Amino acid sequence: GNSVTQMEGPVTLSEEAFLTINCTYTATGYPSLFWYVQYPGEGLQLLLKATKADDKGSNKGFEATYRKETTSFHLEKGSVQVSDSAVYFCALNPDTGRRALTFGSGTRLQVQP
Amino acid sequence: NAGVTQTPKFRVLKTGQSMTLLCAQDMNHEYMYWYRQDPGMGLRLIHYSVGEGTTAKGEVPDGYNVSRLKKQNFLLGLESAAPSQTSVYFCASSYSSQKYFGPGTRLLVL
Repeated sequence: GNSVTQMEGPVTLSEEAFLTINCTYTATGYPSLFWYVQYPGEGLQLLLKATKADDKGSNKGFEATYRKETTSFHLEKGSVQVSDSAVYFCALNPDTGRRALTFGSGTRLQVQP
Repeated sequence: NAGVTQTPKFRVLKTGQSMTLLCAQDMNHEYMYWYRQDPGMGLRLIHYSVGEGTTAKGEVPDGYNVSRLKKQNFLLGLESAAPSQTSVYFCASSYSSQKYFGPGTRLLVL
């Protein structure tokens, strides 16, 4: 079946540090890959996505590249801010008709001033 | 555009009680979903619907029922609540691979 594995958190960084959150996946076919962000007390918001191999998704300074050879979709940001503190979820959408997402367990990021 | 809304925001139930969670979307989306979020487990799909009048089971459907009588609404029912159903419930809708999530309902079953 489909699955997504994320690095465990929490990840604690100082402001302006470099961020990497690892995500690997298992899926049949050619899934689409997503990063969602959940700020405290809120629902999930789409951060970025990539729909095919070698695509790079980017938004708000965050980037992730769809690597089919390593089945990975790692999230990166060059300089984090306190406002980036949130829980980040990696997810995949299999290439089936159901269009339901499979989520990773989430990684909490804490950015200290 | 309100997007996806959920009611109630928070509820406390006793074991054995029943309740219905309401999800509404004003984006004319065909697909709607109910997920539960538990610590360390991400979001797991409970039930979903691909259109008005249709529903299907997801990954963890036991103990829940759903109905999609109107395209804009997707109801999640708990007939006899159990402490294991203490969780945060998220509704989502979509017309493509991008999902739009509601703010969540926090449910505590004592």
